[in-house]
Amino acid sequence: GEDVEQSLFLSVREGDSSVINCTYTDSSSTYLYWYKQEPGAGLQLLTYIFSNMDMKQDQRLTVLLNKKDKHLSLRIADTQTGDSAIYFCAERVGGGRWGKLQFGAGTQVVVTP
Amino acid sequence: KAGVTQTPRYLIKTRGQQVTLSCSPISGHRSVSWYQQTPGQGLQFLFEYFSETQRNKGNFPGRFSGRQFSNSRSEMNVSTLELGDSALYLCASSLASGGKETQYFGPGTRLLVL
Repeated sequence: GEDVEQSLFLSVREGDSSVINCTYTDSSSTYLYWYKQEPGAGLQLLTYIFSNMDMKQDQRLTVLLNKKDKHLSLRIADTQTGDSAIYFCAERVGGGRWGKLQFGAGTQVVVTP
Repeated sequence: KAGVTQTPRYLIKTRGQQVTLSCSPISGHRSVSWYQQTPGQGLQFLFEYFSETQRNKGNFPGRFSGRQFSNSRSEMNVSTLELGDSALYLCASSLASGGKETQYFGPGTRLLVL
């Protein structure tokens, strides 16, 4: 497909792990990103991964990259109510540092107590 | 350290008019990128500038243009506004150093075209 695809909604209980999945389009994408947007707040770059990596861990966040399937996932350990937000994945299409950024539609994560 | 500043924060224009939005990056950041966010189309990349040069451009018509000044401040211009240009316009400044990339977004300019 031509679009970066994400599931639209995820509900998770506080303290559980969340996994947000994304399928990207360009096998030559060298940078893949996860962004967070909270209601009334700005967009925030959460983390990113280079295509030569399979996994990246940053505190409670773990990014997994499966290049064969063009699949990217973000795992949030010990999910907190403050993690309720919309999460966007994005790829740099065309390879390199200056490729065009293409975003998914976003996954709304709702954390329930 | 001051964050990314965007002006104006809100703007109302009518069809056919033009608009200029401004973005001041974090001091020391030389890359500025622009995005359009709408409920229907989601987040879309407009363009990215580095050292006063446009490095890439998204799939937008020529009515959308931008530039970057020597102090890294950037402006984007939309001419002949259409109703569909109503959106939140976000800019981000970024710095790539030592194999790491940091990126910070401004609060956005909310444009309403009537």
